Amino acid sequence: SQQGEEDPQALSIQEGENATMNCSYKTSINNLQWYRQNSGRGLVHLILIRSNEREKHSGRLRVTLDTSKKSSSLLITASRAADTASYFCATGYSGGGADGLTFGKGTHLIIQP
Amino acid sequence: DARVTQTPRHKVTEMGQEVTMRCQPILGHNTVFWYRQTMMQGLELLAYFRNRAPLDDSGMPKDRFSAEMPDATLATLKIQPSEPRDSAVYFCASGLTRDGEKSNQPQHFGDGTRLSIL
Repeated sequence: SQQGEEDPQALSIQEGENATMNCSYKTSINNLQWYRQNSGRGLVHLILIRSNEREKHSGRLRVTLDTSKKSSSLLITASRAADTASYFCATGYSGGGADGLTFGKGTHLIIQP
Repeated sequence: DARVTQTPRHKVTEMGQEVTMRCQPILGHNTVFWYRQTMMQGLELLAYFRNRAPLDDSGMPKDRFSAEMPDATLATLKIQPSEPRDSAVYFCASGLTRDGEKSNQPQHFGDGTRLSIL
């Protein structure tokens, strides 16, 4: 079953604007990761935030994590046409059993030139 | 630039046929994952290996799917017999998990095998 759920499912904005995507999850986690997928390609790792971190930056990306609300957000600032892709959050479960990643269904982001 | 390589990129075959998908993980990575992506279910973990040993294949239909790592440079996913509901994109990903860590470290994905079962 899906652990993370992204919101919104689709987002269309103008180039230069900021894009914000949200992710909610259900269980305790070790870390939360964001990935990007361009059409017809595999997923590309963007950023990892650990359960004891609240915010992390990487270039134009800013990720926040609120473990009390079991939620995370990904902010892309000054969006570019090349940012058009699907974005997925993935969680690493901190409990026993399988310790792979569980992915949400993604947010499809379209940047209008 | 190190990459995960998957072959074939596309496969179309008739139901009942055997399908074999191959993956070459990034050299030095010790954890290999197989995922299936569909519009309805999204990305599902089928199985994963660490140091070539299968750690979890609970996401995989056991009666028709099998996953192996004959050596550190090759992972295979087989479906026999294939069914139309197996149509999906199958991704392989690899990562490096150090001793004492869980394998939920960043994963590097191949570009997938797009499988169509007629």
